[in-house]
Amino acid sequence: NAGVMQNPRHLVRRRGQEARLRCSPVKGHSHVYWYRQLPEEGLKFMVYLQKENIIDESGMPKERFSAEFPKEGPSILRIQQVVRGDSAAYFCASSPRGLDGYTFGSGTRLTVV
Amino acid sequence: DQQVKQNSPSLSVQEGRISILNCDYTNSMFDYFLWYKKYPAEGPTFLISISSIKDKNEDGRFTVFLNKSAKHLSLHIVPSQPGDSAVYFCAAANNAGNMLTFGGGTRLMVKP
Repeated sequence: NAGVMQNPRHLVRRRGQEARLRCSPVKGHSHVYWYRQLPEEGLKFMVYLQKENIIDESGMPKERFSAEFPKEGPSILRIQQVVRGDSAAYFCASSPRGLDGYTFGSGTRLTVV
Repeated sequence: DQQVKQNSPSLSVQEGRISILNCDYTNSMFDYFLWYKKYPAEGPTFLISISSIKDKNEDGRFTVFLNKSAKHLSLHIVPSQPGDSAVYFCAAANNAGNMLTFGGGTRLMVKP
């Protein structure tokens, strides 16, 4: 059984470019969550999605960030016009429901140069 | 406003001894607590959890204690092993929601 798969593992973008981070949840999990970890800090919640719906985006910056979880395919976290402050590790997690079986991926490390 | 705090950024323990990692929270709506272990370049791995209706949960070498009145929880690892060396995160949730609020982490080093 594959766990949560995130790709790419490392992503380098120049300031002003777009970053697309992908997350394939555990098979059978319909709940997806994105978290961001800045250097030397804990993980911070960004957004919670179910298939085709955003349930809670209270942790998402209001501008430049968007997320989707389409009916088919992985969940995508999109960051437009990246800035140096977006450099962080972005973790995706999935669960079948609620907090049971909440499983994290290995993360995507975004570096903005 | 940090709702979950881990005040010790690092802890060093001798192999075979007990490791005690602490966590404090401020939001009285939290009713479910989890501990995660994280190695560099990997995602957090679930270790153990506790519901607010309990004050202790044990799983092998790992025990979590919850003191609701003090809004404090701790993770005990005994005996500690070198493979336990990692960053440990405390996380809290409101059982009505699916969002985790994490502390800043404690780096545990277990010396052989």
